[in-house]
Amino acid sequence: AQTVTQSQPEMSVQEAETVTLSCTYDTSESDYYLFWYKQPPSRQMILVIRQEAYKQQNATENRFSVNFQKAAKSFSLKISDSQLGDAAMYFCAYILTNAGKSTFGDGTTLTVKP
Amino acid sequence: NAGVTQTPKFQVLKTGQSMTLQCAQDMNHNSMYWYRQDPGMGLRLIYYSASEGTTDKGEVPNGYNVSRLNKREFSLRLESAAPSQTSVYFCASTWTSGVGELFFGEGSRLTVL
Repeated sequence: AQTVTQSQPEMSVQEAETVTLSCTYDTSESDYYLFWYKQPPSRQMILVIRQEAYKQQNATENRFSVNFQKAAKSFSLKISDSQLGDAAMYFCAYILTNAGKSTFGDGTTLTVKP
Repeated sequence: NAGVTQTPKFQVLKTGQSMTLQCAQDMNHNSMYWYRQDPGMGLRLIYYSASEGTTDKGEVPNGYNVSRLNKREFSLRLESAAPSQTSVYFCASTWTSGVGELFFGEGSRLTVL
């Protein structure tokens, strides 16, 4: 069974600084997607960034980027120039391609200090 | 564009009562999912439907049933609610199972007394 581990239950960052959230996963599959989702207090699940496992290039979306290490099964999220609106719970997720199987980590609560 | 719509948003049940959570998407997606989120935890897959006419169990299917009514709608039924089913439930959809982004509804908070 696939597992996703987020080893940092809570993280804090000063506004305008950079923070990295960790995620490791375990799978025997080779074709899958990885995602970071943001969940603010409103409870809505918002996609932050996604990475296809077959792509070696790390995904970036504006201030958000990932460090994808497929061999090490690591998928960390870097948030640059942190903003107050970035405060939320962040979930790392694994989805097996062409199958319904998905696994989410338990989340990291990010606090942004002004 | 409504995206993924779940109803109801909130529900309180007594132990043993039944209810159905409704989910509809207007993005012409093939695959739909039901998750539950317990406090301090991530989302756990209850059931999914890879395409119209098919349903499969996820990680935590016990106590639930689902129906893929048509391409747009995917319902989750609790036949005899238990306090352990108190949770926030999310419906999600995607174009093809396991490919691309999951689009989520706003969640339904269910309390079983």
